[in-house]
Amino acid sequence: NAGVTQTPKFQVLKTGQSMTLQCAQDMNHEYMSWYRQDPGMGLRLIHYSVGAGITDQGEVPNGYNVSRSTTEDFPLRLLSAAPSQTSVYFCASSYGAGRYEQYFGPGTRLTVT
Amino acid sequence: QKEVEQDPGPLSVPEGAIVSLNCTYSNSAFQYFMWYRQYSRKGPELLMYTYSSGNKEDGRFTAQVDKSSKYISLFIRDSQPSDSATYLCAMRMDYGGSQGNLIFGKGTKLSVKP
Repeated sequence: NAGVTQTPKFQVLKTGQSMTLQCAQDMNHEYMSWYRQDPGMGLRLIHYSVGAGITDQGEVPNGYNVSRSTTEDFPLRLLSAAPSQTSVYFCASSYGAGRYEQYFGPGTRLTVT
Repeated sequence: QKEVEQDPGPLSVPEGAIVSLNCTYSNSAFQYFMWYRQYSRKGPELLMYTYSSGNKEDGRFTAQVDKSSKYISLFIRDSQPSDSATYLCAMRMDYGGSQGNLIFGKGTKLSVKP
């Protein structure tokens, strides 16, 4: 099993550009989520999904969109990048309601200039 | 006040020391308590979890939950340089939907010197 994979590992964007961060898992996990991690702020939940076709907002959803068309994939879209979105983004997944046992991807380091 | 408070450190200890990491929280509805370990430039990985109150031991690691004080701890005995990482506490309520999501502390950066 590859676990949770994320692409790209690094990305530099200009203000106003859009992009999609990819996340995939091969563990047949129902629950998937996106976090951003900033110095001094910890991990903050952006969006999450409890299954294919079902998504909901987390703590900091503004400026981001998600969709979940398959169990395996959960892409995060930045609509119009802003310098405040410079961060490390982590995707995580877990089996059903057992969200304490979340498996994290390696992260995507995004810089917006 | 954030729901979960954690001293960010950094904490530096000599090899072999006992390390104590702590979090406090404000929401009495939290039932699941977790500790994640994050090595530099990696994703967090689950280290231990506890349901409700009490202690749990796994090798050199002991997790404690005191719900009456809204305080959780992680103890590392005989600390090793390989324990150098950021430790994040996390917790959640015993519900589904958005209330079942994890709330993380900011993390404590630990350095164990040989």
